[in-house]
Amino acid sequence: QKEVEQNSGPLSVPEGAIASLNCTYSDRGSQSFFWYRQYSGKSPELIMSIYSNGDKEDGRFTAQLNKASQYVSLLIRDSQPSDSATYLCAVNWAEDKVIFGPGTSLSVIP
Amino acid sequence: EPEVTQTPSHQVTQMGQEVILRCVPISNHLYFYWYRQILGQKVEFLVSFYNNEISEKSEIFDDQFSVERPDGSNFTLKIRSTKLEDSAMYFCASDHSGGNSPLHFGNGTRLTVT
Repeated sequence: QKEVEQNSGPLSVPEGAIASLNCTYSDRGSQSFFWYRQYSGKSPELIMSIYSNGDKEDGRFTAQLNKASQYVSLLIRDSQPSDSATYLCAVNWAEDKVIFGPGTSLSVIP
Repeated sequence: EPEVTQTPSHQVTQMGQEVILRCVPISNHLYFYWYRQILGQKVEFLVSFYNNEISEKSEIFDDQFSVERPDGSNFTLKIRSTKLEDSAMYFCASDHSGGNSPLHFGNGTRLTVT
């Protein structure tokens, strides 16, 4: 059973549009959820963390968590070409273990 | 802003050799991690380290691998008898409260086994 799943993409959106990225996970005991962005050849960088059901907003980014459905999403408003990257969903799997999904490649078209 | 630093940025080694990848975590962090990313694939968890011992490890982290915190600042990953399939980017990360806090990643070491 796959642990953290994401649509691999590529997801293409026009500049200024909303990009929607989705993630599901299989461990009902997970409590902490993270979205990272990774540019090609670079290390992952944190966009947002979310721990409670509902929405969390930070600038153009909104994370949504639904633990009952084991689903977490990331919305990027007013997408910019600089947002073009791979977006990684990460979930804590144990006290000292965070695992990553395969990532969704986003391309923002000017 | 404090950073996780990794050296070297690129390591080339021959099959069968041993390599040591080095990391300096953020100074007030208590949890340390190694992840691996084979080109074009996902970021894979290898091991977590807390209080001078391994706290979690993946199936990938077999007897070929070991980690050590030789002093108060460095955190190393040793890979023995390297194989072609060990070629990957290796990321060190740290955080201050375990799996419930965000990971801070280093820039990675690209390991090429020839």
